[in-house]
Amino acid sequence: QLQLQESGPGLVRPSETLSLTCTVSGGSITNNNYYWGWIRQPPGKGLEWIGNIYYTGTAYHNPSLASRVTVPVDTSTNQFFLRLSSVTAADTAVYYCARVPFGMVKFESWGQGILVTVSS
Amino acid sequence: DIQMTQSPSSLSASVGDRVTLTCRASQDITTYVNWYQQKPGMAPKLVIYSASTLQSGVPSRFSGSGSGTDFTLTISSLQREDFAIYHCQQSYSTPWTFGQGTKVEV
Repeated sequence: QLQLQESGPGLVRPSETLSLTCTVSGGSITNNNYYWGWIRQPPGKGLEWIGNIYYTGTAYHNPSLASRVTVPVDTSTNQFFLRLSSVTAADTAVYYCARVPFGMVKFESWGQGILVTVSS
Repeated sequence: DIQMTQSPSSLSASVGDRVTLTCRASQDITTYVNWYQQKPGMAPKLVIYSASTLQSGVPSRFSGSGSGTDFTLTISSLQREDFAIYHCQQSYSTPWTFGQGTKVEV
């Protein structure tokens, strides 16, 4: 059974880089039927798509975050990552990773989420 | 960006009620809309995709309809476990965007 698990620091200082890992188990990240995504949810607010990555490295980002976001992938460890630079308090949110079928943009499997707070 | 507007923002209902939630897109998105259910402290769960297709494992009391700009999610007979926040999402064009959510509460 597919599982996704986010990990990383729960507190990041303003202006620093937020770095999260999504570990995929029960399935291969190189399965060419899927790509992998990040979504976030500020406390008490709605969902915001951040970006998607295919195992080949092809990536798509939300333009509102594109200048600050990278979504690397490591097929040897079955993990993909989120790097968000120059964070501010507005980046405080629960961050989710998810699986997305190729050719159909539906977030069909989600990790449990990780709360990241930006504060000094 | 395509804006997704959900209404109402919250509604009160009882077990057994028929409940209809609405989502409106800022432009024609044909049937490229998905619906998610989110319970407190948990990740969203896909309920409906492509406007009307039930995700595997989701009870048949959930249904979706609509095309163009107006979409609905209907729960035919509300169960206790259905009290949650429901989000719509457009998959027509990037950036993929979500509505602000509708809270279904007692």
